[in-house]
Amino acid sequence: DARVTQTPRHKVTEMGQEVTMRCQPILGHNTVFWYRQTMMQGLELLAYFRNRAPLDDSGMPKDRFSAEMPDATLATLKIQPSEPRDSAVYFCASGLDSSYNSPLHFGNGTRLTVT
Amino acid sequence: KNQVEQSPQSLIILEGKNCTLQCNYTVSPFSNLRWYKQDTGRGPVSLTIMTFSENTKSNGRYTATLDADTKQSSLHITASQLSDSASYICVVAGGGATNKLIFGTGTLLAVQP
Repeated sequence: DARVTQTPRHKVTEMGQEVTMRCQPILGHNTVFWYRQTMMQGLELLAYFRNRAPLDDSGMPKDRFSAEMPDATLATLKIQPSEPRDSAVYFCASGLDSSYNSPLHFGNGTRLTVT
Repeated sequence: KNQVEQSPQSLIILEGKNCTLQCNYTVSPFSNLRWYKQDTGRGPVSLTIMTFSENTKSNGRYTATLDADTKQSSLHITASQLSDSASYICVVAGGGATNKLIFGTGTLLAVQP
């Protein structure tokens, strides 16, 4: 079964440190999403790429967050500097944009704890 | 404001029983409505996707319904199993260039033996 792979699965870091999360989308998918999930807010969209081009990053705090797709097999989400309020589970998802009715496939997330 | 609201927030049922989860939305324009199942510590997994013209769609013991006029959807689980214990998330795709997905906060289902 093809799947979205996220690394690392868990990350504990101190406030002020840089955090990089990586995602390998499913081969052939041309849309990639980054979401953040907390108990209070549920799933929030941080960034959306189509054919590696960023289309929507309005949900991302731009002073500290950045998202890139250096190539079709890798998407990254960076936080610099990290803050305790960034503690959450970060999900990457990929899909086929050829049909708006195609499902998104999620990775199993990176659980980030900032102390 | 585009919103997706789910009820109940949490639910406990006995193994073998049926249950129905509700989703109301105010997203416009509307493209499709999705139900996802999220197990603890895992990413959401798609169960069903319904477009405007579809009233019902099944995936095994899961049956989703959609009333686009009242902007309501339900997910019915038949003959529940312990493995159905999870969070069920309703997601509405708004139309437009980015096909933005609006997520509900989920219903946490616990199936007890």
